[in-house]
Parts: sequence; structure tokens; C-alpha cells
Amino acid sequence: GAVVSQHPSRVICKSGTSVKIECRSLDFQATTMFWYRQFPKQSLMLMATSNEGSKATYEQGVEKDKFLINHASLTLSTLTVTSAHPEDSSFYICSASGGPNYGYTFGSGTRLTVV
Amino acid sequence: RKEVEQDPGPFNVPEGATVAFNCTYSNSASQSFFWYRQDCRKEPKLLMSVYSSGNEDGRFTAQLNRASQYISLLIRDSKLSDSATYLCVVNNGGTALIFGKGTTLSVSS
Repeated sequence: GAVVSQHPSRVICKSGTSVKIECRSLDFQATTMFWYRQFPKQSLMLMATSNEGSKATYEQGVEKDKFLINHASLTLSTLTVTSAHPEDSSFYICSASGGPNYGYTFGSGTRLTVV
Repeated sequence: RKEVEQDPGPFNVPEGATVAFNCTYSNSASQSFFWYRQDCRKEPKLLMSVYSSGNEDGRFTAQLNRASQYISLLIRDSKLSDSATYLCVVNNGGTALIFGKGTTLSVSS
């Protein structure tokens, strides 16, 4: 089955630093990848949609200059949280789709703690 | 109004019980419907898709009522391992999934 690898699974960083999260589709080409964020006891909220080779589309309220998304190949998308603050602490999950006729596969998530 | 609404629970039931979860969605043009399961601090995993004719997978039965914009999940003969959060998920024909807040189930012995 389709596998999406997300790394790191857990990261603790100091306030003001940047953190990069990687999402890789291991056995299929992902034309589209999605980045979600989930705060405790809340639903997964879509942050942005990235399409290979083009700029990401951000949801309302998500700062594109703070959450940098790069989808340079069909198997890799990265999310960089720049100048992280404690309020950015959350569970970040990526999801990949091979196209309209394929399902969605989730990465295992990254738990970010900013101290 | 939120796009996907669920009763957050928690639902606390004994082993062997039958439990039902409900979900409503606001966009009448929604095209695809799913139930996902999420364990604590883990990523969501697809439990089953939901079809207009209703579908069953073992102890799990999903129903869709397009006229009422209502989705349900029935779990029969609950097991301890069914304890999790169940997410109602909708796709509006765009590419991203839209998640409900989830309903928490706790099955006890």
C-alpha cells in the first residue's frame, strides 16, 4: 500500500529558531501534498496545499511567510516553521495524494514543542 | 456553522455494547465521505468510506443520508481496541479532506 514517511516524529526547539519537517511518499508519486495542524482536543485543520513544481496554496489565516512549503519533487514536500514561538507548538501531519482517483495517505505526524 | 460537526462525546461503553456516532456536513455539494480513526497522539487512519447505499465492514456499518446531510457510524460488539477518536471526514470535490472534530469512544471491560 501507499506509504508516506514524515520526519522528524518529535522535535523540541527554542523560540525564534526554525524547524523543517519532511514528508516523503515512498512508493508512489504525490502530485499533491497537504499539511495539517492539530491542537490538543481539536480537529485537523488544513494549513496549505502544495502541488509539485508550483507555489503552495495557503488557507485563510495561515501565514505563508512563517510556514514555508516546498514541493520540489513528486515524492518530497517540506514544511519549515520559521521563527517558531510557543503558540506554534502543535501536531503537524502531512497527507499525500497520487491524484483524483487515489486515496489519501497520512504521514505519522510531527509533534513540535517550542520552548 | 462548521463544515463538519460531530458530537465530541466522550462515549463510555462496556465491551460488547453497540454504539452509534453521528455527523452532519454543511456543504450540499460534498462528494466523498469517510470515517477515520485516530489514536492518541497518532495520525488518522482510514476506517471506511461511506456510500449512499450504506456499507458494512465487519462490526462497522456506515450510512449516508444526502438529503439530510447526515453520516453515521455504527459499531457492534465493541472491543477494548475500539477505544479511539472517530473522525467524520468530507471531501467537497476539491483536493483536501475536511475533518470533523472527532468523537471519542472509550470501551471498558
